[in-house]
Amino acid sequence: GQNIDQPTEMTATEGAIVQINCTYQTSGFNGLFWYQQHAGEAPTFLSYNVLDGLEEKGRFSSFLSRSKGYSYLLLKELQMKDSASYLCAPMDSNYQLIWGAGTKLIIKP
Amino acid sequence: GAVVSQHPSWVICKSGTSVKIECRSLDFQATTMFWYRQFPKQSLMLMATSNEGSKATYEQGVEKDKFLINHASLTLSTLTVTSAHPEDSSFYICSARIGTSGDTGELFFGEGSRLTVL
Repeated sequence: GQNIDQPTEMTATEGAIVQINCTYQTSGFNGLFWYQQHAGEAPTFLSYNVLDGLEEKGRFSSFLSRSKGYSYLLLKELQMKDSASYLCAPMDSNYQLIWGAGTKLIIKP
Repeated sequence: GAVVSQHPSWVICKSGTSVKIECRSLDFQATTMFWYRQFPKQSLMLMATSNEGSKATYEQGVEKDKFLINHASLTLSTLTVTSAHPEDSSFYICSARIGTSGDTGELFFGEGSRLTVL
């Protein structure tokens, strides 16, 4: 079956760095998306990885290892506004996104 | 980035009534739109894939007659919750992808519609 595994909740301090890990199992693979979702709002796109390696975009970076079925989202210089849920969503062979419950990130001053 | 607009943002209705939610792609044409439902603290659940000019493809367990989807144009898809009941209360979100079905294009989400059925 298809499965996403992310920590349910993480806590970090403002200004620090946090890494959110995601392991996945899908029927086929066409890349992996990371989305940010603030409470009560729709998800917003953060990154897309289809090849192995690290993609850097400002304070956010995303890493993918297809052979390990593993990805992580790295957030640097954390700000209070980064408090949100972070959704790891791989795309299967039918180009469908598979959604997990996400990781709730709590930023403390 | 591209903009997807969803309306209404909030809706409260009485049990047994029908509610229509609109999803519009404002600055691009979307041949494919997706409808999701999300309960508190749970993941997004894909309800159906809406294809312009053809019938929607529903996920297993989603009632076609209860959740009517119409995608009459390249910029508008609608979800109608018919004979709504309190258990239908949820956050409904649409998304659209630029490009043709099968492309690994980025998904753009609407703002979401929070439905409360009394």
